[in-house]
Amino acid sequence: DTGVSQDPRHKITKRGQNVTFRCDPISEHNRLYWYRQTLGQGPEFLTYFQNEAQLEKSRLLSDRFSAERPKGSFSTLEIQRTEQGDSAMYLCASTPRGAPYGYTFGSGTRLTVV
Amino acid sequence: QKEVEQNSGPLSVPEGAIASLNCTYSDRGSQSFFWYRQYSGKSPELIMSIYSNGDKEDGRFTAQLNKASQYVSLLIRDSQPSDSATYLCAVPGGSGYSTLTFGKGTMLLVSP
Repeated sequence: DTGVSQDPRHKITKRGQNVTFRCDPISEHNRLYWYRQTLGQGPEFLTYFQNEAQLEKSRLLSDRFSAERPKGSFSTLEIQRTEQGDSAMYLCASTPRGAPYGYTFGSGTRLTVV
Repeated sequence: QKEVEQNSGPLSVPEGAIASLNCTYSDRGSQSFFWYRQYSGKSPELIMSIYSNGDKEDGRFTAQLNKASQYVSLLIRDSQPSDSATYLCAVPGGSGYSTLTFGKGTMLLVSP
């Protein structure tokens, strides 16, 4: 198992464009989380899935953000009509059954909106 | 809104000293507490968890919890330059305490 994989590692986009990020969790992990982290801040929760069900979304997640986890495997996070304030590191994490707080994070996708 | 507060630092200590990192939290209902370490340019990794009042030791790391004071700390003994990183305190939050709420983190710098 190679851990949590995120793609791409870096994304530069123009304001107003749509972007999509992918996360492949550890295969036996049933929960998958998306967080956002900006410089000097801790990770901020965005949303999480248990298997294919999206169970919680943060108030930070405006209607420009959408996430999916079809078939309970990989997940995608899409941001529509990007704004400069969306520039951040987007982190994905997964956890196994019975250990909901032992996050294994991926390397993250760094988004820069110009 | 559940909050987790940490001094952003940097906390500078010489090699071999004890580094003490502190965290306070607002939710008296919190039952478990976690410390993550984040090296510059890397993702956080879990290093300690604590559930009961008192101390929990793991190698050079000791987590201390005082629920009455809503205070959790991480002590690093015999600090090494490789311990230089940002240390994030995390507490279960969200609806049903299903996710982790992280503090801003404290940057630790260990000088040789």
